[in-house]
Amino acid sequence: AQSVTQLGSHVSVSEGALVLLRCNYSSSVPPYLFWYVQYPNQGLQLLLKYTSAATLVKGINGFEAEFKKSETSFHLTKPSAHMSDAAEYFCAVSGPGFSGGYNKLIFGAGTRLAVHP
Amino acid sequence: DTAVSQTPKYLVTQMGNDKSIKCEQNLGHDTMYWYKQDSKKFLKIMFSYNNKELIINETVPNRFSPKSPDKAHLNLHINSLELGDSAVYFCASSQVKGLAGGPTDTQYFGPGTRLTVL
Repeated sequence: AQSVTQLGSHVSVSEGALVLLRCNYSSSVPPYLFWYVQYPNQGLQLLLKYTSAATLVKGINGFEAEFKKSETSFHLTKPSAHMSDAAEYFCAVSGPGFSGGYNKLIFGAGTRLAVHP
Repeated sequence: DTAVSQTPKYLVTQMGNDKSIKCEQNLGHDTMYWYKQDSKKFLKIMFSYNNKELIINETVPNRFSPKSPDKAHLNLHINSLELGDSAVYFCASSQVKGLAGGPTDTQYFGPGTRLTVL
């Protein structure tokens, strides 16, 4: 089935450590890929997106992600975690390889990032 | 200025009642969406409208009826509320680029409406 998978429902890092949140998709056609962040009791905010341009995408708040077609992955990284990065992170896909095409975002199950001092 | 706004933010009601959630966007977008986020944080699209026309209608009970009076508004009416309807409902909007059905730009989300059915 065409889907998006986030490995690890919970990730915990120390402040200042590398953040790595994993996202893999299954599709025969490279999709558009997105990372959204949801802070407690808030809506979703776009961190970054890949739409078939540069494979290394830089987003807000120091986050970046690399599209790797051979690995069907779009992992999110940040070199140094801040306490304020604690939130729920969602990977999402859209495109011709998924039902609804570009009009519909299909979300992964989310990864909760905890940052401890 | 809030780009995508929803009212109310919280909604607590009894089973069997009928309720509505309103959404407005001031971004000039032509496409709007409703998503449901369940208690495990899983997000799933329910409906999408493009220029007041329904373009996505997922497998949602027909107790849920979206209405788009104009392209800046998309409301969600729910009849005969059930316990399982308790969730956070998010509205979003985006702008379709190029031909109809072509790639959409970023979807901007509202703050959500937390619905609790007792």
